[in-house]
Amino acid sequence: DQQVKQNSPSLSVQEGRISILNCDYTNSMFDYFLWYKKYPAEGPTFLISISSIKDKNEDGRFTVFLNKSAKHLSLHIVPSQPGDSAVYFCAARDSWGKLQFGAGTQVVVTP
Amino acid sequence: KAGVTQTPRYLIKTRGQQVTLSCSPISGHRSVSWYQQTPGQGLQFLFEYFSETQRNKGNFPGRFSGRQFSNSRSEMNVSTLELGDSALYLCASSFRSTGAGANVLTFGAGSRLTVL
Repeated sequence: DQQVKQNSPSLSVQEGRISILNCDYTNSMFDYFLWYKKYPAEGPTFLISISSIKDKNEDGRFTVFLNKSAKHLSLHIVPSQPGDSAVYFCAARDSWGKLQFGAGTQVVVTP
Repeated sequence: KAGVTQTPRYLIKTRGQQVTLSCSPISGHRSVSWYQQTPGQGLQFLFEYFSETQRNKGNFPGRFSGRQFSNSRSEMNVSTLELGDSALYLCASSFRSTGAGANVLTFGAGSRLTVL
């Protein structure tokens, strides 16, 4: 039972524009959310996180928004750069401390 | 500071065989988690070990097992391999157990298993 869902398997965006990645979850007990980025042949690397007590966290070009009532998480990348082309996974921590991941969104930034 | 090291990087097995994958965490990290990545399924949690004890377990059959040694290195074993076990197996380490507050996992590059 997939409790974290990324419904867009892919996203294409022009360089310099905003990339918006979405993530929905079903478990209201999730207390911490993270985004990871993965390049081919490498392991996922941590990008940004947000606690459930906040609704926004910003780190440079990356901003994560959390809407608890809608059980929705989004990642904004502004401006998008070619090096941002990767697979992005959202993850949520459950009450057992386990991280549950979405299926990922492949982002392609075009010149 | 060396990252998380997984060996082997690639391997091919046939159905019915067994396989052992190894993970060396970042020095000082005592928690090791294992994930299975398949297309369309994202990362599925297998188990977590902390100080040689299994702390958490995902919904995988008993054919999947693991252990952690006193130096925090971990191994996972899959017995009686099935075609559906073909996947990228990722190991991640952290200083604290994933249940102990905000915790970021550092992943290795993975072991790509193909079952024929």
